[in-house]
Amino acid sequence: AQTVTQSQPEMSVQEAETVTLSCTYDTSESNYYLFWYKQPPSRQMILVIRQEAYKQQNATENRFSVNFQKAAKSFSLKISDSQLGDTAMYFCAFMRPRVQGAQKLVFGQGTRLTINP
Amino acid sequence: GAVVSQHPSRVICKSGTSVKIECRSLDFQATTMFWYRQFPKQSLMLMATSNEGSKATYEQGVEKDKFLINHASLTLSTLTVTSAHPEDSSFYICSAPRTSGSYEQYFGPGTRLTVT
Repeated sequence: AQTVTQSQPEMSVQEAETVTLSCTYDTSESNYYLFWYKQPPSRQMILVIRQEAYKQQNATENRFSVNFQKAAKSFSLKISDSQLGDTAMYFCAFMRPRVQGAQKLVFGQGTRLTINP
Repeated sequence: GAVVSQHPSRVICKSGTSVKIECRSLDFQATTMFWYRQFPKQSLMLMATSNEGSKATYEQGVEKDKFLINHASLTLSTLTVTSAHPEDSSFYICSAPRTSGSYEQYFGPGTRLTVT
């Protein structure tokens, strides 16, 4: 079974700083998807960024980028120029491609990120 | 974008009663929906996969007789917590893929269940 590990329960940085959240995963699959989700105090899950394992290029979405190291099974999220609105729980998640009812998301434990003014 | 709604957003019930939570896809059809449970300050744990027209698939350790799932139509899945107890108090979230086989899932806003 796949597992996702986030080793940083909490992080705190000053506004405008850059912060990196770490995530490692374990799988025997060669093709899969990785995601970072944000859960603000409203509890609504919001997709931040996704990465297809077959793509070597790291995904980027505005201030958010990932460092995907497939061999090391590492998938970290970098937030540049952090903003107060980035304060939230961040979950790393793994998904296998759809095979006989897959598409399940396996979530890491989460990292609580606080951006201080 | 696709929207998934949940109703109610909050519910308080007495121990021993049953409560139903609805998950609706508002602008797309969902043959599959997922139900998660989230305890305070913890991650989302998948409870079951809801399949339109067939039985739900439950994760290991989840009591299927306690958490009844019915995928009544292509836009509605319901989770019924039967004979609720205080330990069932939690935040319940549903999600649905935009299209069959899609990696992108849309999450409902969640339902906070409190059992007194």
